Amino acid sequence: DIQMTQSPSTLSASVGDRVTISCRASQSISSWLDWYQQKPGKAPKILIHKASSLESGVPSRFSGSGSGTEFTLTISSLQPDDFATYYCQQYFIYSSFGQGTKLEIK
Amino acid sequence: EVQLLESGGDLVQPGGSLRLSCAASGFSLSDYAMAWVRQAPGKGLEWVSVISGSGNSRFYGDSVKGRFTISRDRSKNTVYLQMSSLRADDTAVYFCVKDRGDYYDNSGLGFDYWGQGTLVTVSS
Repeated sequence: DIQMTQSPSTLSASVGDRVTISCRASQSISSWLDWYQQKPGKAPKILIHKASSLESGVPSRFSGSGSGTEFTLTISSLQPDDFATYYCQQYFIYSSFGQGTKLEIK
Repeated sequence: EVQLLESGGDLVQPGGSLRLSCAASGFSLSDYAMAWVRQAPGKGLEWVSVISGSGNSRFYGDSVKGRFTISRDRSKNTVYLQMSSLRADDTAVYFCVKDRGDYYDNSGLGFDYWGQGTLVTVSS
């Protein structure tokens, strides 16, 4: 099984900050990785597809990078609506998710 | 417009069984793999199972293997998750998810649509 490890688990930041969330795979997954945003009581919303492709309708302040085993989600300038939990997901073999990163208001 | 509507979530006793349904509209199940993902209260996302577009390939996460069965009815464009020998740690919201393509060599193309989820509670 492919294990996905996100860091940090919790991140405190302010509106306007630039933040980065990391995701590491236990083996190479090429670019078969997506990033999601989830708010309480809602289904996850996809932000980034195949490591770096911005999903339609997602603000350009979100970006993704990486390949192989190391991946990054960056939010260039935090907005109030961005405080949520973020997950990475691999689909190289079956699928698995990182444990999540909760982005909190500082 | 693609829509996924889950149903069947309920309170069930440990050791019991339950069947979840996911009614799909706006596309044909024959062309896409479909999966179930769950989320225990206050916890992260866990991939549960997937069925290929042909229905011939089915895969399961280790925690549900041997207890859960995924299937689909092409005529109803509906996917099912039959759950048996339920345990307290199966308590979760179960999401039905559509893949962007079909399943080949144990992998899909990523998820593009999620249902709103249905709650399964396993408790005596």
